[in-house]
Amino acid sequence: QKEVEQNSGPLSVPEGAIASLNCTYSDRGSQSFFWYRQYSGKSPELIMFIYSNGDKEDGRFTAQLNKASQYVSLLIRDSQPSDSATYLCAVGGSNYKLTFGKGTLLTVNP
Amino acid sequence: DVKVTQSSRYLVKRTGEKVFLECVQDMDHENMFWYRQDPGLGLRLIYFSYDVKMKEKGDIPEGYSVSREKKERFSLILESASTNQTSMYLCASSLNDWRGAYNEQFFGPGTRLTVL
Repeated sequence: QKEVEQNSGPLSVPEGAIASLNCTYSDRGSQSFFWYRQYSGKSPELIMFIYSNGDKEDGRFTAQLNKASQYVSLLIRDSQPSDSATYLCAVGGSNYKLTFGKGTLLTVNP
Repeated sequence: DVKVTQSSRYLVKRTGEKVFLECVQDMDHENMFWYRQDPGLGLRLIYFSYDVKMKEKGDIPEGYSVSREKKERFSLILESASTNQTSMYLCASSLNDWRGAYNEQFFGPGTRLTVL
């Protein structure tokens, strides 16, 4: 059974700080890694994806992947109250399915 | 932009009723998925389909069936609804091309189903 683990939180950060969200996965054959943001009562929306070891930056968001440690993270710089949401880590393998973590609730305090 | 739509945002049904949830995508995606999402349990895959008339069971298929007669449409059927099927149901779609596992899934708005 493939597993994706996330700290459920809540993770609380002050406005303007860096929020760090972490995810570990069990399947060494995993090839693709996605971060989705889900506001309360809404559906998940894709914010970042990463396939190769290292960092990938997109605006205030940076995804980091370390396949040797089976670890993927999302950094949110200059956090805003609008970033308050649940962040889902999803991992893809050789088929078309994704395995999702249970999500980390992030709260950004003004 | 990819658009995935679901037939209802909110639905209330009685125990024992047959329930149809419909999902339509307009981006010619081959893969379509049905998930349910419950507090503390995360997203769980019920069924997915990688082509018309093709389907595979996900992690929790019991009590559900699916139908995919057209590429753009994927239906989830609760043959006899039970209270433990009260949940948020999410449909998603993705491409099935050379990028394989690198294709992201796009979600519909979800259907909040309550079974009384």
